[in-house]
Amino acid sequence: AQSVTQLDSQVPVFEEAPVELRCNYSSSVSVYLFWYVQYPNQGLQLLLKYLSGSTLVESINGFEAEFNKSQTSFHLRKPSVHISDTAEYFCAVRGGNDMRFGAGTRLTVKP
Amino acid sequence: EAQVTQNPRYLITVTGKKLTVTCSQNMNHEYMSWYRQDPGLGLRQIYYSMNVEVTDKGDVPEGYKVSRKEKRNFPLILESPSPNQTSLYFCASREGTNRVYEQYFGPGTRLTVT
Repeated sequence: AQSVTQLDSQVPVFEEAPVELRCNYSSSVSVYLFWYVQYPNQGLQLLLKYLSGSTLVESINGFEAEFNKSQTSFHLRKPSVHISDTAEYFCAVRGGNDMRFGAGTRLTVKP
Repeated sequence: EAQVTQNPRYLITVTGKKLTVTCSQNMNHEYMSWYRQDPGLGLRQIYYSMNVEVTDKGDVPEGYKVSRKEKRNFPLILESPSPNQTSLYFCASREGTNRVYEQYFGPGTRLTVT
């Protein structure tokens, strides 16, 4: 079975500052990695995913994540955040049909 | 529009009163799943279904039932709700079972059991 650890439950940052949301996983099988975002009072939306190939994946709104197999990490980064990025972010790992989510990181962007 | 719908969105009920939360998807997805979201615990899977008439337990199935009589619907049933089932519930679906596809989530159902 897989497990996911999101190292920070809350991350407050100022607008236009860089941010990193950390995610580590453990698994005994090959995995696929995902980041989901949950805006207030909404469901989860896929932000980006790593399936294979290039270890650096990007989303359309400026986020990127890098798969690091040796460190079993999949940290999410953005060089300059906006107020509208305020949300909860979930890291997820899938091995076979088993999908596990982290506990979530609440990103709060302050003006 | 491709979507997963859940009803109701909000529900307050009393201990022991049976309830059903409906979930429907219009994408002809084979795989459907129910999660509950609790602060500090993230999303935990309750039940999942790989296809019609095929269901299996997730990590926290106690106190819940599901059925999959049609491909598009996957209702969650609480036969005798208790306060520890107060939570935010999400239904999700994805295409296929052996290939990697993203999951699509419903808007959530906030359940309060008093």
